[in-house]
Amino acid sequence: EVQLLESGGGLVQPGGSLRLSCAASGFTFSSYAMSWVRQAPGKGLEWVSTISGSGGGTYYADSVKGRFTISRDDAKKSLSLQMDSLRAEDTAIYYCSRVSGESRDYWGQGSLVTVSS
Amino acid sequence: SYVLTQPPSVSVAPGQTARITCGGDPTGSKSVHWYQQKAGQAPVLVVYDDSDRPSGIPERFSGSNSGNTATLTISRVEAGDEADYYCQVWDSNSDHVVFGGGTKLTVL
Repeated sequence: EVQLLESGGGLVQPGGSLRLSCAASGFTFSSYAMSWVRQAPGKGLEWVSTISGSGGGTYYADSVKGRFTISRDDAKKSLSLQMDSLRAEDTAIYYCSRVSGESRDYWGQGSLVTVSS
Repeated sequence: SYVLTQPPSVSVAPGQTARITCGGDPTGSKSVHWYQQKAGQAPVLVVYDDSDRPSGIPERFSGSNSGNTATLTISRVEAGDEADYYCQVWDSNSDHVVFGGGTKLTVL
């Protein structure tokens, strides 16, 4: 059974940093690209970032480029999102998802990030 | 940047057919994927590559894509289908993933 479990969310002040992690199980992690998608309170889904299966390719939404860094550790079956220079508008639930073709076929339950003073 | 447009809401009576549209310029040249998100839960993929269903998704869910509009069709709607639905594509010009704004399906 495919499982994705996010951790690391919490309350952070504007300008601060936070690192999200996603622990994967139930599939060959290294064979899949992985994505982060976020959802602000009461809003729709917004793609944040994708990393290729080899880790050689990383892609970012314009809204987070230069502030967020996606990475993966295939040995630990883990996906990470380092978030720096956080802003109030980054407040959201962050979902880890597995990429299949161009879709996201499995999602974690999400980790809430709140940016507030 | 590429934009996908969905109606904010669709209402349907139980047992009837719901159709949720997703407009893009164009969508027909892209693969469209659909997600269901029930209140307080993570999204679930219900249709991928325009019209394919993941295992475990009922046959009542189907998709089509032509020209500038992709459509998610839910036949014999049940109360449990009440949720937000999002379409998604990959924009090869920007290497960006794009989601529609979402449609709230209300079962009357």
